Amino acid sequence: GAVVSQHPSRVICKSGTSVKIECRSLDFQATTMFWYRQFPKQSLMLMATSNEGSKATYEQGVEKDKFLINHASLTLSTLTVTSAHPEDSSFYICSARRGLSGANVLTFGAGSRLTVL
Amino acid sequence: ELKVEQNPLFLSMQEGKNYTIYCNYSTTSDRLYWYRQDPGKSLESLFVLLSNGAVKQEGRLMASLDTKARLSTLHITAAVHDLSATYFCAVDMQGAQKLVFGQGTRLTINP
Repeated sequence: GAVVSQHPSRVICKSGTSVKIECRSLDFQATTMFWYRQFPKQSLMLMATSNEGSKATYEQGVEKDKFLINHASLTLSTLTVTSAHPEDSSFYICSARRGLSGANVLTFGAGSRLTVL
Repeated sequence: ELKVEQNPLFLSMQEGKNYTIYCNYSTTSDRLYWYRQDPGKSLESLFVLLSNGAVKQEGRLMASLDTKARLSTLHITAAVHDLSATYFCAVDMQGAQKLVFGQGTRLTINP
């Protein structure tokens, strides 16, 4: 089955530093990847849609200079939280969409819990 | 703007009982997904419903979709403790190829 690997699973950093989270599709090529953010006991909020070889599409209210997304290959997308602050602490989840048409079936990564001190 | 609302948001029930979680959405869509999330974990896909009248069952869970009513249900039969989790429905935003999630239903099943 489709597997998405997300790394790191947990990261603690100091305020002002940048953190990179990787999302890899292990056994399929993902034309589109999605990045979500989830606060404790809340739903998933879509941050951006990442398409291989093109710029990411950010949702309204998401700062593209703050959350840098790169989708350099069909199997890898990265999210970099730049100059992180405590309010950026959250659970970040990536998902990958297989194929170009049909049902929007997503495979989710295990998530990355970011804590900014 | 597509809105997805789940009901109830919290559900505490006893083992052996039946219950239903409802998912309403605001605009036309014929694709709906159910996911399970355990504490501190990511999402696990449960059901993919792709047409009006679709019904899918897996073990004690059964999901259905009524696109005319813009409603999906997740029915739990004879609940067991292992089903305790948060359940999310998500709806495909037509033309945008992205999912909009409901708020989630936190289900606790007591022995």
